[in-house]
Amino acid sequence: EIVLTQSPATLSLSPGERATLSCRASQSVSTYLAWYQQKPGQAPRLLIYDASNRATGIPARFSGSGSGTDFTLTITSLEPEDFAVYYCQQRRTWPITFGQGTRLEIK
Amino acid sequence: EVQLVESGGGLVQPGGSLRLSCAASGFTFSRYEMNWVRQAPGKGLEWLSYIKSGGAIHYADSVMGRFTISRDDAKSSLYLQMNSLRAEDTAVYYCARDLNVGGVYFDIWGQGAQVTVTS
Repeated sequence: EIVLTQSPATLSLSPGERATLSCRASQSVSTYLAWYQQKPGQAPRLLIYDASNRATGIPARFSGSGSGTDFTLTITSLEPEDFAVYYCQQRRTWPITFGQGTRLEIK
Repeated sequence: EVQLVESGGGLVQPGGSLRLSCAASGFTFSRYEMNWVRQAPGKGLEWLSYIKSGGAIHYADSVMGRFTISRDDAKSSLYLQMNSLRAEDTAVYYCARDLNVGGVYFDIWGQGAQVTVTS
């Protein structure tokens, strides 16, 4: 099973600042990685797939990068609605696995 | 509007069974691979099972042999039969549509069904 480790666990930033979230895989997942955003009481929302492709309707301030074992989700100029929990997910091998999440909170 | 709606959640005793349903609308259900994902209280996301129309099925080790995924394309519905339930199965269960780009990503999610396993 591929283990995804996200860091930091919690990130405290202010609106307008840049957020950089990390996801590290226990073995290479090539570029078969996605990022999701989840707000309290809501289902997750797909942001990025195949490491760097934005999903339909996702604002350009969200971008993904990386390959192999190290991946980054960047949110430029944080909006108030961006404060949420973010998960990475790999589809390289079964079972599908998620990272434990990074909570992005308002400073 | 593309939509997934889960039903069938509830309270069940350890060792009991429950069947979740997921009704799809707004898209051609038979063309999409489907999944179940759960989230225990205050915890992260856990993928459980995948099904392709007329094809492959996969399970997480945590539910293998206890849970069974199925689908009825004529009814645009996905199911999860859950047997031998344990306290650690308590979670919100989501059905999720595959993005359909040749791999397993989840682009549409239901609102979730609460399953609570307690004596």
